[in-house]
Amino acid sequence: EAQVTQNPRYLITVTGKKLTVTCSQNMNHEYMSWYRQDPGLGLRQIYYSMNVEVTDKGDVPEGYKVSRKEKRNFPLILESPSPNQTSLYFCASSENRGYASYEQYFGPGTRLTVT
Amino acid sequence: TQLLEQSPQFLSIQEGENLTVYCNSSSVFSSLQWYRQEPGEGPVLLVTVVTGGEVKKLKRLTFQFGDARKDSSLHITAAQPGDTGLYLCAGEDYKLSFGAGTTVTVRA
Repeated sequence: EAQVTQNPRYLITVTGKKLTVTCSQNMNHEYMSWYRQDPGLGLRQIYYSMNVEVTDKGDVPEGYKVSRKEKRNFPLILESPSPNQTSLYFCASSENRGYASYEQYFGPGTRLTVT
Repeated sequence: TQLLEQSPQFLSIQEGENLTVYCNSSSVFSSLQWYRQEPGEGPVLLVTVVTGGEVKKLKRLTFQFGDARKDSSLHITAAQPGDTGLYLCAGEDYKLSFGAGTTVTVRA
């Protein structure tokens, strides 16, 4: 089954404690991205990756890091989480976008609470 | 400020009624996508519209892309409880930008 998986699904942590949210896709997609979803603000892109070892900032990259060492994996790293990073996070993948409208396949989401 | 404004923000209707959700922008997009998101899940693509004035139908759902490719609408005929969810539009220029979404509740 074609899918994007994220772990963990739920996470409660404290300010400053480093954490990693993993993302993996089995569709051999080149393009992967991370979004956060907040009430009234919709989905905002944090980082994206066009291919292995190629990553770039999205609209709200502050406080986040990513890496793309393998095509299937795209972890999101919060080095020092703060309460304003409490949010619902989605990983997504698609065929390499270029300027075409490719379908984004989303993971099930990770609900993060930082106290 | 959202690049894409969706209205209304919330919509609650009775089963069998019709509804329309709007997605508006001052920007021109090369294409526009509509997604539906159910609680506890990620968004799932419903349709992509590419040509100005284009109309696409998906069973009881009708999607329209404005002539100027700045706006779009989603119309649901004879809504059913299974249509309940968050409807998101996303416009593409050199990247994909999402609206904040319309939460639709269809009461049985």
